[in-house]
Amino acid sequence: DQQVKQNSPSLSVQEGRISILNCDYTNSMFDYFLWYKKYPAEGPTFLISISSIKDKNEDGRFTVFLNKSAKHLSLHIVPSQPGDSAVYFCAASEERGHGGSQGNLIFGKGTKLSVKP
Amino acid sequence: GAGVSQSPSNKVTEKGKDVELRCDPISGHTALYWYRQRLGQGLEFLIYFQGNSAPDKSGLPSDRFSAERTGESVSTLTIQRTQQEDSAVYLCASSLDWVGTEAFFGQGTRLTVV
Repeated sequence: DQQVKQNSPSLSVQEGRISILNCDYTNSMFDYFLWYKKYPAEGPTFLISISSIKDKNEDGRFTVFLNKSAKHLSLHIVPSQPGDSAVYFCAASEERGHGGSQGNLIFGKGTKLSVKP
Repeated sequence: GAGVSQSPSNKVTEKGKDVELRCDPISGHTALYWYRQRLGQGLEFLIYFQGNSAPDKSGLPSDRFSAERTGESVSTLTIQRTQQEDSAVYLCASSLDWVGTEAFFGQGTRLTVV
C-alpha cells in the first residue's frame, strides 16, 4: 500500500507560469516532508522540506504548502523555467517511528514536469 | 569524498549470477538508505540503516536481496541469483541523522540482467 502518492505522472507548464505539484500521504505519523528533483541519469537532489509544525515553507521560487488535515502537500514553482524540467519526488518521514521505521524516507512515484519555452 | 559515491556505475550480469553493489556515504552521516528505480517507475524503498539500530529491511523484495553496513561507513547491497526483473537503477542515500535533515543521493548503479 502506497503511503506517499503522487497521482499525476506528468505535468506540462508554459515558461513563466506557476507549476503546482501535488502529493498525498496516508500515514498520519509522518511529520517531515521533502521534495527532490531528479534529472535523467543523475541521483535525486534535495529541493525543499517542511516540518509538520508549519504549513508553508518558501525558498526563492519554490514554496511547499502542507495541509495536515487533508494529508496533502504541494510544491509551487513560480515562475517556472525550462531548467526546472525534471522528475519531482515527494518524500515523507516519521520522527517517532516504531519497529525501526524512524527516519525512513518514503518516496512517491514522482511527477515529470516539462516547462516549455 | 564530498558526496555519496556508488560503484560500479554500470553493471551488466547474466541471469542467475550474484552481484554486489557498493555505497560510500558522506562521512559522518549516520543514516543510509537504499532505493531502486525501475524504468519508468518511482523510487522503491529497499532498506534503511540508522546508526547502531537494527536496519529496516521491510522494503527488500525477496530473500535474494541482502545488505550490510560496516559501522557508519560503507554499505553493500547483494543480490543473489539475479533475475531480469532485478534490472533497475539502485540508488544509495545518506543523511546526517533522521531528525529533519535531507538525504543526499549518489549517482546510482544501473544494473542490467541479461
